[in-house]
Amino acid sequence: DAKTTQPPSMDCAEGRAANLPCNHSTISGNEYVYWYRQIHSQGPQYIIHGLKNNETNEMASLIITEDRKSSTLILPHATLRDTAVYYCIVIRGNNRLAFGKGNQVVVIP
Amino acid sequence: EAQVTQNPRYLITVTGKKLTVTCSQNMNHEYMSWYRQDPGLGLRQIYYSMNVEVTDKGDVPEGYKVSRKEKRNFPLILESPSPNQTSLYFCASSSRQGDGYTFGSGTRLTVV
Repeated sequence: DAKTTQPPSMDCAEGRAANLPCNHSTISGNEYVYWYRQIHSQGPQYIIHGLKNNETNEMASLIITEDRKSSTLILPHATLRDTAVYYCIVIRGNNRLAFGKGNQVVVIP
Repeated sequence: EAQVTQNPRYLITVTGKKLTVTCSQNMNHEYMSWYRQDPGLGLRQIYYSMNVEVTDKGDVPEGYKVSRKEKRNFPLILESPSPNQTSLYFCASSSRQGDGYTFGSGTRLTVV
């Protein structure tokens, strides 16, 4: 499965959109981009996933570049409860979910 | 409510005393998986199962066993726990359609 690169940490302002980047330059054609988050020691929470089209659900939007080498998770109106470690994961099948170090996102009042 | 239930939430045990951490899901999911989380090492997969009676090793399977006799249950067995298995453990399940894993609330295990 392709490796991903995320910034180790970032801050964002409460009420503003939070744009979380992820690079996956070695992604192959049948690999999906998944995003999860983990709020301090709780079980990770699935956010969204996509193959090549942009996706949106009630939690977030996922923008994947046309060449699929990078993506951005957008939290439209960040709240303090969105403070968490966010994981961008690229996988082919859904049974070998491997977590990297993630991006520690802190929402600041 | 759709959920993954792990028990117990907290457990302190002694070296060598066999234990089982239970995991049950009510979503009829095919895939189930166990992870451990340690400071500085992140989340690492122990075992996973693609369906009943189908299991395979993850990245850190040593010292653990699993079984999948029924679709809803995926217990994690430590035959002879050691202090290096002190960790936070998560069970997770997913449908084959790949809609994302649902994780349990975690089991904090301490082996003394």
